[in-house]
Amino acid sequence: GQNIDQPTEMTATEGAIVQINCTYQTSGFNGLFWYQQHAGEAPTFLSYNVLDGLEEKGRFSSFLSRSKGYSYLLLKELQMKDSASYLCAVGYNFNKFYFGSGTKLNVKP
Amino acid sequence: DADVTQTPRNRITKTGKRIMLECSQTKGHDRMYWYRQDPGLGLRLIYYSFDVKDINKGEISDGYSVSRQAQAKFSLSLESAIPNQTALYFCATSDNTAVETQYFGPGTRLLVL
Repeated sequence: GQNIDQPTEMTATEGAIVQINCTYQTSGFNGLFWYQQHAGEAPTFLSYNVLDGLEEKGRFSSFLSRSKGYSYLLLKELQMKDSASYLCAVGYNFNKFYFGSGTKLNVKP
Repeated sequence: DADVTQTPRNRITKTGKRIMLECSQTKGHDRMYWYRQDPGLGLRLIYYSFDVKDINKGEISDGYSVSRQAQAKFSLSLESAIPNQTALYFCATSDNTAVETQYFGPGTRLLVL
């Protein structure tokens, strides 16, 4: 594997901000991707980073630092519907993707 | 209608049986993938295909085979199912753009007894 590590589970409060970290021990990948997966459903694409820095898409932002070997997904103004698993993945040569085991986020009222 | 469909959605089979999981897509993408998902292990790539004549092994191809019958169809076979192949299987597609995102089917839940 690519040693992609994410926390197993996190809990946050509705309306708050949460940061989900992803660390990896690999290099040479083309992009780092974040997917959302509700229980029993398919993963859906959220965000990606090719270059270092922050990419913002509405309430979701993703950050990448290749030199430090980590990424994070930032979720703002949390809503109950954000309760899901969040998967970090690295993509090589636009054909192979390696996923972390995912972080289950519980949003409480 | 869903862009990526999988059949069946649920399947129970016995050890030693041959089964096939099917995936169809209407997105017009050339690239198709098969993953399995196990609790605590995340998604792992089984096979992928860039076009009808291209088949490539992924991270965990042993015990599986695939067939790309057409651009829109990519099937996964378990020649002789075993209990540790019990998992959630996802098909995915992506296009040939510079940075690819993947579009996943709804998944097939397989139980091997």
